[in-house]
This record gives sequence, C-alpha cells and structure tokens, in this order.
Amino acid sequence: NAGVTQTPKFQVLKTGQSMTLQCAQDMNHEYMSWYRQDPGMGLRLIHYSVGAGITDQGEVPNGYNVSRSTTEDFPLRLLSAAPSQTSVYFCASSYSTVGNYGYTFGSGTRLTVV
Amino acid sequence: GENVEQHPSTLSVQEGDSAVIKCTYSDSASNYFPWYKQELGKRPQLIIDIRSNVGEKKDQRIAVTLNKTAKHFSLHITETQPEDSAVYFCAARGLTGGGNKLTFGTGTQLKVEL
Repeated sequence: NAGVTQTPKFQVLKTGQSMTLQCAQDMNHEYMSWYRQDPGMGLRLIHYSVGAGITDQGEVPNGYNVSRSTTEDFPLRLLSAAPSQTSVYFCASSYSTVGNYGYTFGSGTRLTVV
Repeated sequence: GENVEQHPSTLSVQEGDSAVIKCTYSDSASNYFPWYKQELGKRPQLIIDIRSNVGEKKDQRIAVTLNKTAKHFSLHITETQPEDSAVYFCAARGLTGGGNKLTFGTGTQLKVEL
C-alpha cells in the first residue's frame, strides 16, 4: 500500500492563479480531510469528506473547494491564490467515519503564493 | 465546536529526563484523543491514542492520561532520547458535526539535549 499520496510536494503560485492539490489513498478509507499547517497555529481543518459525493466545510474553508467523486481521491482546489494561503497542506484519511481511528497523513504540499 | 489548548509551546529537557505535555479540550462529549509526532519536514505520525472510557494507556516509554472531569489529557515521555526531539500535537474528536473530525492543539516543540 502506498498509503496517502499527495502531489505536488512543492508549488509556487502567483497571486490570483488557481491550482489543484492532489490527494489519493489506497486503504479504502471512508474519511478524508485537508488541513493547513502554519507556524504556531497547529493543524487547521479546511474541508473534509465522509464518503464519495459527501463533503463539508471545516474551520478555514474560504478560498478552497473540494470534491469527492471516488473513495480514493480528494483534491483541494485553490480558486484564486492569495499570499495568506502560503502554508503547508496535509491530506489525511482514516478508516471509519464514526469510529475512533487515528489519521494517516500524506507527506504534505508546501505552497508559496507570491 | 471543539477547542483544544496545548501547553507548553516549547519544552527543553536533558536526555534521560521525563517530558510532560498537557492539553485541555472544551467539548465534554469528545471521546477520542490521539497524539501525533512530527519530525522536521515530515508528516505527523500517530504515536498513541486514548478513548474516553480509559484513564491511562502506556506504550513503552510513552503514556497518555485522561481526566474527563477536568477535560484534560497529557502525554508523558520517560527516559527521553535525542530522537524524541520533534513537535508533538494533541487532538480531540468532538461529536458535533460529522465524521471522524479531529481538532488539533497548536503543538509543542520538544528538544532533548545531550
């Protein structure tokens, strides 16, 4: 199993550009989520999904869109990049939507918006 | 929603000493409390977790305690080693909203000095 795969690992965008961060898992996890990590602020939830076709907003959803057309994939779209979106982005998945299982994280995407 | 506070933000100990990191949570219905370790430039990895029906759990040199009445939980690392140096995050799973949604603390930078 590859686990949770994120691409790209690094990205530089200009203000106003759009892009999609990819996340795929091969563990048949129902639950997937996106977090951003900023210094001193921990991991903050952007969007999450409890299964294919179902998504919901987290703590900091503005400026981001998600979709979940398959169990395996959960892409994160930046609609119009802003310097405030400079961050490290982590995708995470877990086995159960209602169970108490820890997350498996992807390796992260370091995004810089200039 | 759930709110998790974590202290201290930085912790420096001598090799062989013990380290304690504390977290408090706000949602009395929260029922799952994992701890993650993140080495520099790497993804967070689950090191130990505890469920609300258990007061303490140990795994070799690490242990977690939970006080539901006070709504706080702690990570204890004994006989610290240089490889324990990392950022540690606590998290709590609240029951408001859907899915296996975790709220993270802001992290503790642990440095184990020789």
